[in-house]
Amino acid sequence: NAGVTQTPKFQVLKTGQSMTLQCAQDMNHNSMYWYRQDPGMGLRLIYYSASEGTTDKGEVPNGYNVSRLNKREFSLRLESAAPSQTSVYFCASSWTEYNEQFFGPGTRLTVL
Amino acid sequence: QKEVEQDPGPLSVPEGAIVSLNCTYSNSAFQYFMWYRQYSRKGPELLMYTYSSGNKEDGRFTAQVDKSSKYISLFIRDSQPSDSATYLCAMSAGSGGSNYKLTFGKGTLLTVNP
Repeated sequence: NAGVTQTPKFQVLKTGQSMTLQCAQDMNHNSMYWYRQDPGMGLRLIYYSASEGTTDKGEVPNGYNVSRLNKREFSLRLESAAPSQTSVYFCASSWTEYNEQFFGPGTRLTVL
Repeated sequence: QKEVEQDPGPLSVPEGAIVSLNCTYSNSAFQYFMWYRQYSRKGPELLMYTYSSGNKEDGRFTAQVDKSSKYISLFIRDSQPSDSATYLCAMSAGSGGSNYKLTFGKGTLLTVNP
């Protein structure tokens, strides 16, 4: 039982490049989330998926897109990376949107 | 006023001390309260989960919620160097509120010195 897994662990991009962050959970959770964590800013919700087939914007969605591929997988895409997107990205999942969330190990992204 | 306020610290204590970590909040609809522990360069790990007011104990950890004061606390007894981490509070209104997603505090950095 791996919980929430994220790939890659680290990534360096140049401004304007695109990439997709992958997340998968094996807990049969319905809801999944993408956060970014920056020093002094705490965790900020980018997008979430309350259930398979639905996605909604969070607090800081600009510059990102998401896909809920199936119940297990939720990906985050940066179409044209900017230095302001340098951050640590965490995926999380929960049984429903009202329950406690379980986090993955994170992806450290640097945009030059 | 921010929805959730948490003193960022840093907080430094000797091994064996009792640690008190706190958050205040402004949204009276919050009824689910969580504490997460985050080690350096790791993801947040759920530590305690409580509903409404009262206390919950799990080993050396006690979570306390005072809804009348909009104040939650996490107490760590007999603190150990392995407790050194950032502690984040989180809360939600659940299905009864308009904001059912988790709202996080910014975290308190704790160091327990041997």
